[in-house]
Amino acid sequence: GEDVEQSLFLSVREGDSSVINCTYTDSSSTYLYWYKQEPGAGLQLLTYIFSNMDMKQDQRLTVLLNKKDKHLSLRIADTQTGDSAIYFCAETSGNQFYFGTGTSLTVIP
Amino acid sequence: EAQVTQNPRYLITVTGKKLTVTCSQNMNHEYMSWYRQDPGLGLRQIYYSMNVEVTDKGDVPEGYKVSRKEKRNFPLILESPSPNQTSLYFCASSQGTTQYFGPGTRLLVL
Repeated sequence: GEDVEQSLFLSVREGDSSVINCTYTDSSSTYLYWYKQEPGAGLQLLTYIFSNMDMKQDQRLTVLLNKKDKHLSLRIADTQTGDSAIYFCAETSGNQFYFGTGTSLTVIP
Repeated sequence: EAQVTQNPRYLITVTGKKLTVTCSQNMNHEYMSWYRQDPGLGLRQIYYSMNVEVTDKGDVPEGYKVSRKEKRNFPLILESPSPNQTSLYFCASSQGTTQYFGPGTRLLVL
């Protein structure tokens, strides 16, 4: 299957910006996604970007896509304690979804 | 309310005892999928279904079966569970770009 990689942990102070990074291998991916998983819950779609875009902004969230380097990032502005969760990037290849390992974000008050 | 439901939410069983985890969605979605989540490995797709009577293997299908006899239901069957199938399982459904996930089923195989 395709490889989608993320760093496992990130800690930031409340009010700072968080940047979560992801690299993927499939250059034919149509969509790339960011999901959030809170403790004991399923995954919730945060945002997605079509592969022919290089940036998408949605309130406090900014997604950057560098297709040449196969690099995706999620920036959360003014990070709050409620943003503490595991964040997964994912890509679609054909009809399959491939998820990264997840980045556990801890927000320090 | 649009949702994906899974049952049971928690299950402890023994090696070799067949079990089924049910998944149901009320959004009339064509695409449904099963994932397992393991520490350090993220989510891995087990099986997916593009529509009724159409199922395909994902990345880790060994030891699992699925069926899609109706659009709303997509059960996951473990014919002979083994301890390496101890995991957190998620069902999801989607139409277009948005996948909706169920709450998860935590399975322990002794």
